[in-house]
Amino acid sequence: QKEVEQNSGPLSVPEGAIASLNCTYSDRGSQSFFWYRQYSGKSPELIMFIYSNGDKEDGRFTAQLNKASQYVSLLIRDSQPSDSATYLCAVWLYGNKLVFGAGTILRVKS
Amino acid sequence: NAGVTQTPKFQVLKTGQSMTLQCAQDMNHNSMYWYRQDPGMGLRLIYYSASEGTTDKGEVPNGYNVSRLNKREFSLRLESAAPSQTSVYFCASSAVVSASYEQYFGPGTRLTVT
Repeated sequence: QKEVEQNSGPLSVPEGAIASLNCTYSDRGSQSFFWYRQYSGKSPELIMFIYSNGDKEDGRFTAQLNKASQYVSLLIRDSQPSDSATYLCAVWLYGNKLVFGAGTILRVKS
Repeated sequence: NAGVTQTPKFQVLKTGQSMTLQCAQDMNHNSMYWYRQDPGMGLRLIYYSASEGTTDKGEVPNGYNVSRLNKREFSLRLESAAPSQTSVYFCASSAVVSASYEQYFGPGTRLTVT
């Protein structure tokens, strides 16, 4: 089992809809969780981090963490074509190791 | 890519050649990282440096060496390049600032080993 798993997609949503991206992780002791956005040919950009159960909101982005079920989600409200990118989930594992998932491709259709 | 610079942007090497990838940040961050990104595999940590003067291995350190020259600079060296090291290499820096975590990546180096 991979330490961090994401559906590779592509996930296609219409403009204005909510995009829901999911990530599961294997280590129950994981403490911190990160979401990055990466446009094609560009470097990753940290957009959200969360370390406690529940929701964290930042503008149109909401990160949801459920430690009991070992998943973290990213919701993007009012999706725009400019949100089309690959979204990487990363988990800070015990032992000071940040492990990335392979990423989910999001396509927002206008 | 605010504050993290990498050189070169592109490089082609022959098997067995050596090279050093340079990285510098101007945000006064303590931690710096080298990642490689291959298609379908996300980012994998090669080495990291939690502070000036310290370095530690990540997931895939074999075939690489690093130097944390000072707080700003963190270089990655390939002593004898192999085709398996064809990848995109990203340098990053991070810090906890005002109870918030920030991390920035450089623009990347696209390396091809033939």
